[in-house]
Amino acid sequence: SQKIEQNSEALNIQEGKTATLTCNYTNYSPAYLQWYRQDPGRGPVFLLLIRENEKEKRKERLKVTFDTTLKQSLFHITASQPADSATYLCALDRNAGNMLTFGGGTRLMVKP
Amino acid sequence: GAVVSQHPSRVICKSGTSVKIECRSLDFQATTMFWYRQFPKKSLMLMATSNEGSKATYEQGVEKDKFLINHASLTLSTLTVTSAHPEDSSFYICSAGGTAGGDTQYFGPGTRLTVL
Repeated sequence: SQKIEQNSEALNIQEGKTATLTCNYTNYSPAYLQWYRQDPGRGPVFLLLIRENEKEKRKERLKVTFDTTLKQSLFHITASQPADSATYLCALDRNAGNMLTFGGGTRLMVKP
Repeated sequence: GAVVSQHPSRVICKSGTSVKIECRSLDFQATTMFWYRQFPKKSLMLMATSNEGSKATYEQGVEKDKFLINHASLTLSTLTVTSAHPEDSSFYICSAGGTAGGDTQYFGPGTRLTVL
């Protein structure tokens, strides 16, 4: 069955460092992968989408890579700030009608 | 652009009552809306997909008679939790996909349901 795993439940880093979050999947061939940010008690907010034929995508301090051979996506936040503290979710399309399956999320804490 | 609202943001009800949650796309037309449920410190679990003007498609294990979904227009979908019980207490989130055929979903702020 399809399985999506995000590397850790929580990640603590120092302000200014680069945060790297991992999303691995098995038994799956998604056409695209998305990353969302979720703050406590709020709905997810879309950050980036990367398609299967794209290796890397950037948006300001964010960078996403997608390796379909390794079945892995890496999400990087450079020059991290305390305001980046949140839960980050990866989501893969289910090859049907834009439905998404979400990973368990990684809670990022950036300490000043 | 691409704003999705939910109402109410928080609701407390007695066991056995029904609760309706509204999801609206404010500045775009949503051909498809999705309803998710999220338990504390857990990820989003898709409950159902609703397409405007047709019956919702429920995920395996989700009771369609308990979670009634109506998508009467391109900007409004409702989820009614019927005969709610304490185990239905959760965070319910809707999302909407645009008519432009894009792959991004836009999420509402969520509704916290507490059943006493």
